[in-house]
Amino acid sequence: SQELEQSPQSLIVQEGKNLTINCTSSKTLYGLYWYKQKYGEGLIFLMMLQKGGEEKSHEKITAKLDEKKQQSSLHITASQPSHAGIYLCGVVSSAGDYKLSFGAGTTVTVRA
Amino acid sequence: NAGVTQTPKFRILKIGQSMTLQCAQDMNHNYMYWYRQDPGMGLKLIYYSVGAGITDKGEVPNGYNVSRSTTEDFPLRLELAAPSQTSVYFCASSFRSSGANVLTFGAGSRLTVL
Repeated sequence: SQELEQSPQSLIVQEGKNLTINCTSSKTLYGLYWYKQKYGEGLIFLMMLQKGGEEKSHEKITAKLDEKKQQSSLHITASQPSHAGIYLCGVVSSAGDYKLSFGAGTTVTVRA
Repeated sequence: NAGVTQTPKFRILKIGQSMTLQCAQDMNHNYMYWYRQDPGMGLKLIYYSVGAGITDKGEVPNGYNVSRSTTEDFPLRLELAAPSQTSVYFCASSFRSSGANVLTFGAGSRLTVL
């Protein structure tokens, strides 16, 4: 069965500082999707990675999928209050499958 | 463009009652999903559908039923509500293409069973 772990569970960062979140799978990943959730709201899609070694950036957020395709990291540069929320990784871990399994999420708090 | 619309946003049920959570999307997506989110547990897939008339069980289907009579609507029915069904429910839809399957989520429905 799919074992998906996100770390850390939560973190507090000073505004302007960088932060990194990890998503680790016990199986090879065939698709990795990062989402952000604000309290009481739905999930907003951030970016998708499919190829080992792939890296994507959007504004101050960068996501990477490692070469072995079992781990992804999400890095935020110079964090702002707007970056606060819950970050979840969703994965596809079977070739030909499309359903996403989600990690438990990482709660990010940005302190002014 | 409304995206994925869920109703109601909040609901309190008594044990044993039944109810339907509504989900509608206006993006002509073929795939639709129901997830539940419990604190510290991430999202668990309840049911999904690849098109009108086709539904299948996800990871945690017990106590729920779904139907998909149209492309737009995917209601989730709770029969004989139990406290274990207290959760936040999310409906999502997607248009799968070229290996990518980006889900668009609704705002969620918070259900409490007392």
